Amino acid sequence: AQKITQTQPGMFVQEKEAVTLDCTYDTSDPSYGLFWYKQPSSGEMIFLIYQGSYDQQNATEGRYSLNFQKARKSANLVISASQLGDSAMYFCAMRGFSGGYNKLIFGAGTRLAVHP
Amino acid sequence: DAGVTQSPTHLIKTRGQQVTLRCSPISGHKSVSWYQQVLGQGPQFIFQYYEKEERGRGNFPDRFSARQFPNYSSELNVNALLLGDSALYLCASSLHREANYGYTFGSGTRLTVV
Repeated sequence: AQKITQTQPGMFVQEKEAVTLDCTYDTSDPSYGLFWYKQPSSGEMIFLIYQGSYDQQNATEGRYSLNFQKARKSANLVISASQLGDSAMYFCAMRGFSGGYNKLIFGAGTRLAVHP
Repeated sequence: DAGVTQSPTHLIKTRGQQVTLRCSPISGHKSVSWYQQVLGQGPQFIFQYYEKEERGRGNFPDRFSARQFPNYSSELNVNALLLGDSALYLCASSLHREANYGYTFGSGTRLTVV
C-alpha cells in the first residue's frame, strides 16, 4: 500500500532560522513523485516543490529544498530563513499510480508556526 | 492567467439534502481531480476526470458522483448528505492525466452539513 507519514503535528521556528519538516513514504512502485504543499488558513493548496524518484539531485525552489533519501524513503522539506508568512499547514504528498490513473496521497500534515 | 476557480466558497446544507460543487480548471488543463479534506486531516482522493471521462475513483460511496464538461470544467455532486460529509472540497487541475509535475489546486469549497 502507498502511504505518506508526517510525524510532526506541529513545529515552531524563530523568524530567519531554518526548519526541517519530516516526511516518510512507502511504495513498491519504482517510479513515483513527491510533492510538498503549503496550506494557509484560506484553504488553497500551494505547490512548493517536487522530487521525482529518478532525479539524481535534491530539488530546490528558492528558500525551499527537499532532502531526498531514497534508501530511507524520506523526503524532508527544509525551509531556510523562515518568514512570518511561512506559518501554515504543510503537506507531503506522493503521486501514486494504480488502476490506470494518478492520484495524490497526502500525509496528515505539519502545522508550522514562525515566531518573531 | 486565472487559476483553478471553485464555487461556492462556503455552503451550509441540512442532512439528507443534495449539493453540487463546481470547478473551473486552468485554461488548457484537461484533467480535473476532486479531493475531500476533513478538518485536521490531509486531503483524500475522490475522483479524477480526464477528457470528460472518469479515470479514477477513490474509496467513497455512490452518493458521490461527478462529471466533466466539454470545456473541462467539472461538477461534484453529493446526495443524501451526512454530517460526516462536512469538509473542505478541493479541486485540482493538471495539463495531462499523468501530472508529472503539476497539480494546481483551487481554494476549495467549505461544506458544512447540519
